[in-house]
Amino acid sequence: ETGVTQSPTHLIKTRGQQVTLRCSSQSGHNTVSWYQQALGQGPQFIFQYYREEENGRGNFPPRFSGLQFPNYSSELNVNALELDDSALYLCASSPREGRTLGAFFGQGTRLTVV
Amino acid sequence: TQLLEQSPQFLSIQEGENLTVYCNSSSVFSSLQWYRQEPGEGPVLLVTVVTGGEVKKLKRLTFQFGDARKDSSLHITAAQPGDTGLYLCAGAGIIRDDKIIFGKGTRLHILP
Repeated sequence: ETGVTQSPTHLIKTRGQQVTLRCSSQSGHNTVSWYQQALGQGPQFIFQYYREEENGRGNFPPRFSGLQFPNYSSELNVNALELDDSALYLCASSPREGRTLGAFFGQGTRLTVV
Repeated sequence: TQLLEQSPQFLSIQEGENLTVYCNSSSVFSSLQWYRQEPGEGPVLLVTVVTGGEVKKLKRLTFQFGDARKDSSLHITAAQPGDTGLYLCAGAGIIRDDKIIFGKGTRLHILP
């Protein structure tokens, strides 16, 4: 059984560029959530995907978008990058019944916008 | 909006001491989870509590869910340097219980 894997692990982008982050969910998990974690803060919920559809969104602008594929892997896309987008981006997968089992996180992608 | 407040934000204590970290909210949660995060890594799930008043033990760590399911505590007995890390509480909502909202975390440092 493989865990949650994210790629790339580190990324440096210039303000105004676009970025795509990828996540492979844990085997058997059909729900993927994305979080942004700024330095010294807890993870902030961006959005969640279930069966290839967005299933809830946090307080993030539309330039943050995502996809989920039939194999339950997922992408996070951020357009028009801003300096404040610099953060650790975490992907978490869970079975649909996430309430009782919690979420399983990848190691994250450290994005630096310069 | 469901918010989770963790206290203290920072804690530095000597090895062998006991400590308690708190997680409070004005909202009711269907479950509460505790995670531990190392620098540069994703959070790792420690425990999920579901029933009001529930107590779970994980070696030297004791987790309690408040009777009203609005708060939780993490107690560590005889802390060790390996316990150093960021401890995050997270709640799953009553209405949308598949979405997990995090507190800001407690950064714990155990001095040898």
